[in-house]
Amino acid sequence: AQKVTQAQTEISVVEKEDVTLDCVYETRDTTYYLFWYKQPPSGELVFLIRRNSFDEQNEISGRYSWNFQKSTSSFNFTITASQVVDSAVYFCALKMGAQKLVFGQGTRLTINP
Amino acid sequence: KAGVTQTPRYLIKTRGQQVTLSCSPISGHRSVSWYQQTPGQGLQFLFEYFSETQRNKGNFPGRFSGRQFSNSRSEMNVSTLELGDSALYLCASFPGTSGGETQYFGPGTRLLVL
Repeated sequence: AQKVTQAQTEISVVEKEDVTLDCVYETRDTTYYLFWYKQPPSGELVFLIRRNSFDEQNEISGRYSWNFQKSTSSFNFTITASQVVDSAVYFCALKMGAQKLVFGQGTRLTINP
Repeated sequence: KAGVTQTPRYLIKTRGQQVTLSCSPISGHRSVSWYQQTPGQGLQFLFEYFSETQRNKGNFPGRFSGRQFSNSRSEMNVSTLELGDSALYLCASFPGTSGGETQYFGPGTRLLVL
């Protein structure tokens, strides 16, 4: 069975701190896809990144970076120099082929000024 | 390109009523998925449509149904509403032609059942 675990329910940091959101996944498939979404208070899920299981290269996009490690089944997300606008709920998700997206429970991130 | 649109954005119903939610995907996308989000259960998959055919279904009772039209727009219907159906209903759009495609979400419909 496929499963995504985001062990951190809530994180609160002061602006400009770095913060890492953890994501651990379970799957028996060798081909799968991992995603991160951001959900601001408005409710819409905003796509951040997609990674397939054959691409373990880490990715950096501005202040955001992602660390994918198949050996530990983890796909962690780091925000560098956090800002108040980063406050949101962040979801990690897993998909195998044509199957449904399976989401973690989400991590509520609060950046305090 | 216009994003995914969902109507209505907010809805208040009473127990026993039925409700229909609508989703218009991104132009060119032929697949639509629906998800229910509640504080207790998180994000749960309802169903997925591709070219007017239901391709995948989540573990929800038969009161939850959906359909997709030839223009890829989709509707979901919930009959005999229960208090527990109060949730944010999210629709996602994607091309649907290969596995692992990114799903782009709409703003959601917030349903409150009284």
